[in-house]
Amino acid sequence: GQSLEQPSEVTAVEGAIVQINCTYQTSGFYGLSWYQQHDGGAPTFLSYNALDGLEETGRFSSFLSRSDSYGYLLLQELQMKDSASYFCAVKVDTGRRALTFGSGTRLQVQP
Amino acid sequence: DAGVTQSPTHLIKTRGQHVTLRCSPISGHKSVSWYQQVLGQGPQFIFQYYEKEERGRGNFPDRFSARQFPNYSSELNVNALLLGDSALYLCASSLARSRAPDTQYFGPGTRLTVL
Repeated sequence: GQSLEQPSEVTAVEGAIVQINCTYQTSGFYGLSWYQQHDGGAPTFLSYNALDGLEETGRFSSFLSRSDSYGYLLLQELQMKDSASYFCAVKVDTGRRALTFGSGTRLQVQP
Repeated sequence: DAGVTQSPTHLIKTRGQHVTLRCSPISGHKSVSWYQQVLGQGPQFIFQYYEKEERGRGNFPDRFSARQFPNYSSELNVNALLLGDSALYLCASSLARSRAPDTQYFGPGTRLTVL
């Protein structure tokens, strides 16, 4: 089976930098994705890492270490609109292309 | 381009009833996946369909079933509803490329309440 661990809540102030960690245990591994979900909304794709290292997309960056089964999402220059839940998700190499999600980290950005 | 659409947006049922949820994928996407999201949790995988064939099934009872039509739209059926089936049901479509990341694009979901 698969399991993913991430903090349940994180609080930060506008303009700050926040890191959301994710550790995973899977029987197979094909990549780590990050999704954002605002209250009442649908999850939206943020980033994906298949190989070790850092991927940068604007204010968001994502890092993966396959040897440590660990990744993180880095959010810079936080804005109030970044208040949302953030999920890490793994895609396991079983021929099934669905995702296994963590339980999510709720980010509160304060003025 | 239209995104993933789902209907209905909200639904209230009573225990023991049956429900059918519908999903239309993004044009050109051949894979549809269904997820259940309980409040405060991440989405849990239920089914994946590709080219009208089931490609994967999560840890859900046989009361849950689904199908995909020739136009790639999909239905999720749940029989003998239980209170614990109350959740947001999300549909996601993707191009189903064999290579990563094969990004899943989610619809707005159907909020099911079982009384």
